[in-house]
Amino acid sequence: DIQMTQSPSSLSASVGDRVTITCRASQSISSYLNWYQQKPGKAPKLLIYAASSLQSGVPSRFSGSGSGTDFTLTISSLQPEDFATYYCQQSYSSITFGQGTRLEIK
Amino acid sequence: EVQLVESGGGLVQPGGSLRLSCAASGFTFSSYEMNWVRQAPGKGLEWVSYISSSGSTIYYADSVKGRFTISRDNAKNSLYLQMNSLRAEDTAVYYCARGHYYDSSGYYYDYWGQGTLVTVSS
Repeated sequence: DIQMTQSPSSLSASVGDRVTITCRASQSISSYLNWYQQKPGKAPKLLIYAASSLQSGVPSRFSGSGSGTDFTLTISSLQPEDFATYYCQQSYSSITFGQGTRLEIK
Repeated sequence: EVQLVESGGGLVQPGGSLRLSCAASGFTFSSYEMNWVRQAPGKGLEWVSYISSSGSTIYYADSVKGRFTISRDNAKNSLYLQMNSLRAEDTAVYYCARGHYYDSSGYYYDYWGQGTLVTVSS
């Protein structure tokens, strides 16, 4: 199975900060990498698919990059509603998720 | 508006059974693959099972293979998960999620239900 490792596991930041979350695959997954946002008690929401394609309706401050084994999710200017947990997910071979990155208010 | 509404969760003893349902609306259910994804309390997401739009192709995670059965009724716009031989480690919120292939290996979940909690405990 392909293992997905996110870093950091948690992160404190302030409104307006630029934030980057990293996801590393245990083997190459080409660009088959998606990002989700989950708020407490809610279902996950798709943000980015195919490593860098923005899902319809998602604000442009969210962006994704990477290919092969290393990927990043960047939030260019944090807004209050962005404090949540973020998950990466690969679909190259079966489906696996990263363990999540909790983004908290500093 | 796409809506997915799960039901059927609850408290069950180890070794017991439970059947989850997911009622879909706002889209042509019979045209989409569907999935179950679960999340143990305070933990991350785990894919559980996949079913193709027609129901002819089914996959399971190794952790549930032989114990869980996914099915769908396109006439009723409904997805199901029959869970047998339940274990404590199956305790989780179970989400129904619509899937989409954008490429031969590119697959994402674009709509999710609110989830239903399954607790396996004596």
